[in-house]
Amino acid sequence: GEDVEQSLFLSVREGDSSVINCTYTDSSSTYLYWYKQEPGAGLQLLTYIFSNMDMKQDQRLTVLLNKKDKHLSLRIADTQTGDSAIYFCAESREGYIPTFGRGTSLIVHP
Amino acid sequence: EPEVTQTPSHQVTQMGQEVILRCVPISNHLYFYWYRQILGQKVEFLVSFYNNEISEKSEIFDDQFSVERPDGSNFTLKIRSTKLEDSAMYFCASSERQQGSLGTEAFFGQGTRLTVV
Repeated sequence: GEDVEQSLFLSVREGDSSVINCTYTDSSSTYLYWYKQEPGAGLQLLTYIFSNMDMKQDQRLTVLLNKKDKHLSLRIADTQTGDSAIYFCAESREGYIPTFGRGTSLIVHP
Repeated sequence: EPEVTQTPSHQVTQMGQEVILRCVPISNHLYFYWYRQILGQKVEFLVSFYNNEISEKSEIFDDQFSVERPDGSNFTLKIRSTKLEDSAMYFCASSERQQGSLGTEAFFGQGTRLTVV
């Protein structure tokens, strides 16, 4: 089956940029997603990118997609303590249930 | 803002017992899902439900599992004869259209942590 891999932890200092990385195996992916899970809450869709794009920017968030290497990243500029959460990468083909990774815990310290 | 709610937040059960995990999806959503995440592992799809029947299920969703929408609001996951390896966080989700369709967002509940002892 398809696979999505991401590292388990990332620790950054408040104000720095965070970059969370993800790799996937499905060369036919149509959508690549980033979900955020805050403590005690459900997964919430942060953003998604079409596989025919290589970048998407939304305020402090930048998503970069390298389709050749099947590598997706989420950059958070000026990381705040409120950004501390688990970030899940996911991918899907059109009309298919997304495949999720295990989530990266982002820890922001002062 | 509408949200998916799950109860209980934590359930402890003895091996071999049956458990029912409950979810109230967002009211105008038509597609419902269960996922699980074993500690430290990936979020795994279990089953999707549409129009009062299972539309898709994974290999994990064997005869031990069943889903039901007993009334207009609740969506339940029943696990019969629980095993130690069923210990996980179980997430319910719902969406207006099928996940993987253009622009469709799945809304997740906060999860039920199931501990089988």
